Amino acid sequence: QKEVEQDPGPLSVPEGAIVSLNCTYSNSAFQYFMWYRQYSRKGPELLMYTYSSGNKEDGRFTAQVDKSSKYISLFIRDSQPSDSATYLCAVRRGSTLGRLYFGRGTQLTVWP
Amino acid sequence: DSGVTQTPKHLITATGQRVTLRCSPRSGDLSVYWYQQSLDQGLQFLIQYYNGEERAKGNILERFSAQQFPDLHSELNLSSLELGDSALYFCASSLTGRGKGYTFGSGTRLTVV
Repeated sequence: QKEVEQDPGPLSVPEGAIVSLNCTYSNSAFQYFMWYRQYSRKGPELLMYTYSSGNKEDGRFTAQVDKSSKYISLFIRDSQPSDSATYLCAVRRGSTLGRLYFGRGTQLTVWP
Repeated sequence: DSGVTQTPKHLITATGQRVTLRCSPRSGDLSVYWYQQSLDQGLQFLIQYYNGEERAKGNILERFSAQQFPDLHSELNLSSLELGDSALYFCASSLTGRGKGYTFGSGTRLTVV
């Protein structure tokens, strides 16, 4: 079983839609949760970072973590064509930055 | 521009050959991480260096090796290349072992023919 499972999609939505992206992880030792965004031919860039269960909001983006069910989500409100990218969830164990375990990524297209 | 520089951007080589991928971390960053991204496996951690010393090793094949030099740039050496080694290879860097995440470069696309 992979450490992080993520539906690869693809996901295609109209502009203005609410997008929900999800991942599950297998090990309760994972304590830090991240979402990265990767545009075509670019490296991943950190989008959201959270430690505890609950919600964290940043503009149109909300990251949600449910440690009891080992489930992490990213919601995008009022989606824009510029949000079209691959979104990767990532987890890590401790406070020391080191190895990240990534989901396979979900390819999102937002059409005008 | 993320500040992490990877060269070359593209590489095409034949099976059995050896290649070297280079990474210059962001100015001041001491840690360098190498990841392999393929369609079927996603982003897989290969190895981490911190200030010249190997810190952690992941799913790195014996045919692959890496090092970090005194000027903090890093090289990933891939030898006896196989078709399955075709992938995107990313380097990332961070200042210390603490922080939210690290900064990725734009990657080297390796194609083995």
